[in-house]
Amino acid sequence: AQSVTQPDIHITVSEGASLELRCNYSYGATPYLFWYVQSPGQGLQLLLKYFSGDTLVQGIKGFEAEFKRSQSSFNLRKPSVHWSDAAEYFCAVGNPNNAGNMLTFGGGTRLMVKP
Amino acid sequence: GAVVSQHPSRVICKSGTSVKIECRSLDFQATTMFWYRQFPKQSLMLMATSNEGSKATYEQGVEKDKFLINHASLTLSTLTVTSAHPEDSSFYICSARRGTNTDTQYFGPGTRLTVL
Repeated sequence: AQSVTQPDIHITVSEGASLELRCNYSYGATPYLFWYVQSPGQGLQLLLKYFSGDTLVQGIKGFEAEFKRSQSSFNLRKPSVHWSDAAEYFCAVGNPNNAGNMLTFGGGTRLMVKP
Repeated sequence: GAVVSQHPSRVICKSGTSVKIECRSLDFQATTMFWYRQFPKQSLMLMATSNEGSKATYEQGVEKDKFLINHASLTLSTLTVTSAHPEDSSFYICSARRGTNTDTQYFGPGTRLTVL
């Protein structure tokens, strides 16, 4: 069974500082990988996704993520955080062999940004 | 493109009533829609997967008679919480996916259900 772990429940960074949110997955082969962001009381917005190819993926809002097969990781990064980036971030994996492409979500990381 | 809407955004009801939540893909046809439940400060848990024109597939532990799902068209899926109780209070989020397995799920804004 696939699973996702986001080790950090809360992270606080200063505005303008760099950010890295960790995501580790468990799956027998290369899964589909996603990062979503959720503002309070809102649905989820897709930041970026990885299916195959280049392991460094660029997303919206200046985010990027790198797939590292050897570490079973898909960490999200941003070089300079803005106050508007404060939100909940979810990493998710999808099974390429599942006809429904069900997503399994990590527990989420809440990002707080200090002025 | 790829906008998904949900209606209502917020609903408060009395215990014992049934509540219907609609999920619509506004600018694409969704062959598959998913329903998730999210408790406060927790992650999303998949409840069921529905394909247009067929019965929904429910995840283990989700009562299909309690949470009725209808995917009547390629742009609309409904979740009906029957005989709602306070423990059903939660944030319900739907997502929609276009045809292929490699495509992405696009999420609706969610529906906050409060059962008194």
